[in-house]
Amino acid sequence: GAVVSQHPSWVICKSGTSVKIECRSLDFQATTMFWYRQFPKQSLMLMATSNEGSKATYEQGVEKDKFLINHASLTLSTLTVTSAHPEDSSFYICSASGREQGWETQYFGPGTRLLVL
Amino acid sequence: KQEVTQIPAALSVPEGENLVLNCSFTDSAIYNLQWFRQDPGKGLTSLLLIQSSQREQTSGRLNASLDKSSGRSTLYIAASQPGDSATYLCAVRVFGNEKLTFGTGTRLTIIP
Repeated sequence: GAVVSQHPSWVICKSGTSVKIECRSLDFQATTMFWYRQFPKQSLMLMATSNEGSKATYEQGVEKDKFLINHASLTLSTLTVTSAHPEDSSFYICSASGREQGWETQYFGPGTRLLVL
Repeated sequence: KQEVTQIPAALSVPEGENLVLNCSFTDSAIYNLQWFRQDPGKGLTSLLLIQSSQREQTSGRLNASLDKSSGRSTLYIAASQPGDSATYLCAVRVFGNEKLTFGTGTRLTIIP
């Protein structure tokens, strides 16, 4: 099956710094990627939809200036958490849209755990 | 707006028993429905994907069914094992929208 990687798998940073998370589709091209966040014991919440070569579409309540998304190529999307604060600590998961037996499917990365001190 | 609910939120069963997890959704115009498992602190593992034209999918001890008219899907796990302990999430995609809406999850514990 299609593989999506994320880097780093975990990161600890000081409050006020910016953190970049990469999401890569390793063996397929993805025109669309998605970013989710998950708080402890909660489900995944979609943050934004990222399309190659265009601006990301953010969900209601997600600050686009806080969470910068760049989908620079068909295999790479990045999420930058700017001026991170402790409340941004969460598990961030990306997915990439591909095709399986003719149907569109999302393939998920392993997630990045962010801890802001 | 699509809403996806999973009941129960938590379930504990003795090893060896068969069990059913439930997922309900409000918008029946679904494109596909997917079941995932998530181990603590880990990412998602896709278990089964049911397309809108399908009624069920099977993989090993797992069987997922889909009833669009009633807005329900079930995940059946046969002969449960301690290794099945995890949180199970269902996610729904509707036609005309690439987004997935995730359910609230069921935390499953298999008691040895």
